[in-house]
Amino acid sequence: RKEVEQDPGPFNVPEGATVAFNCTYSNSASQSFFWYRQDCRKEPKLLMSVYSSGNEDGRFTAQLNRASQYISLLIRDSKLSDSATYLCVVSPNAGKSTFGDGTTLTVKP
Amino acid sequence: DGGITQSPKYLFRKEGQNVTLSCEQNLNHDAMYWYRQDPGQGLRLIYYSQIVNDFQKGDIAEGYSVSREKKESFPLTVTSAQKNPTAFYLCASRRDGNYGYTFGSGTRLTVV
Repeated sequence: RKEVEQDPGPFNVPEGATVAFNCTYSNSASQSFFWYRQDCRKEPKLLMSVYSSGNEDGRFTAQLNRASQYISLLIRDSKLSDSATYLCVVSPNAGKSTFGDGTTLTVKP
Repeated sequence: DGGITQSPKYLFRKEGQNVTLSCEQNLNHDAMYWYRQDPGQGLRLIYYSQIVNDFQKGDIAEGYSVSREKKESFPLTVTSAQKNPTAFYLCASRRDGNYGYTFGSGTRLTVV
């Protein structure tokens, strides 16, 4: 079993739809959690950190469930420009983090 | 502006050749990382360094070497021992585990 698992998708949704991704992790000692966005043939870029209380940034909402060991990303009112691969990252307090393999989202007109 | 610079953007290697990928950051981050990404795959950790003059192997270190002589620089050498080096190489840095990574724009290495 992988340390961090994501549904690879692809998720194909129409513009304006709400879509949610989950990411499960196996290391209960994990301390920090992040969502990244990666466009085709580009480097990943930090989308948002994930806090225990949940956090929101515009149309994006991130949640952490420590008891069930998963994080989630909700995108509301999807735009064509949201089409990308979304990576979750799970970190201990120090040292190396673990990346999920990513979930591919395609938003269609 | 602070950031990470990787060079070159594209690199072609002949069989049996060693090549070095450059990574420089001016973010004053202590930790630096090298990842490899194959088409349609996730990121795999090659090496990382949490402080100058110290580095640790990641999950796929065989056939690669690094150095960390300066805080700003973390070059990666792909040696001839790496049998399948064609991939997208990403360098990253971060302040510590509580912060996210900042990535460079990557180097695409192709064996010819």
